[in-house]
Amino acid sequence: SQKIEQNSEALNIQEGKTATLTCNYTNYSPAYLQWYRQDPGRGPVFLLLIRENEKEKRKERLKVTFDTTLKQSLFHITASQPADSATYLCALSLGSGNTGKLIFGQGTTLQVKP
Amino acid sequence: GAGVSQSPSNKVTEKGKDVELRCDPISGHTALYWYRQSLGQGLEFLIYFQGNSAPDKSGLPSDRFSAERTGGSVSTLTIQRTQQEDSAVYLCASEASGGPGKNIQYFGAGTRLSVL
Repeated sequence: SQKIEQNSEALNIQEGKTATLTCNYTNYSPAYLQWYRQDPGRGPVFLLLIRENEKEKRKERLKVTFDTTLKQSLFHITASQPADSATYLCALSLGSGNTGKLIFGQGTTLQVKP
Repeated sequence: GAGVSQSPSNKVTEKGKDVELRCDPISGHTALYWYRQSLGQGLEFLIYFQGNSAPDKSGLPSDRFSAERTGGSVSTLTIQRTQQEDSAVYLCASEASGGPGKNIQYFGAGTRLSVL
């Protein structure tokens, strides 16, 4: 069966450390993968997109890797801050012919402690 | 508008009643999506509109769910004869057809539906 899985347990880290979140998938061949941030009571906000032919993407303190052999994406936040505390969702897009609909993981909640 | 707007923000209804949820996408965005998020879960795709093409309804969970998009802009998601398992947050997203915003979905804050 097709599955997309993220760390189900909350991730607690100390301010200033690097947070690493994992997204694993099975039986999909995504054209690209995205990471979103969701705060309580709000809709998800786009952070980064990485395509199947890209290994790594960076944006400020954020870094995403995409390994299509392992079927895994890692999301890193360096020099983490309490304001980074939120739920982070990974989402797959199967690309053209499958519309732009996204298949989401259940999310990982990150708590950064001062 | 500045962003995707959804209304109402909260809706409480009785089992068996019909409800309508509204989404105003970002002006000029041709694609519009509806998702459902149950407590502690990821988002579940419901339906997708792209321009004048036939919508992709593959995610609608039953024939009690329907959606329309009038004039290529505002969309309404209708749930008939609501059931308690319909309780969730219903999220709408819009997407540009080209340019730097392509493939990026912009979400509204959602409508929290509670069926008693």
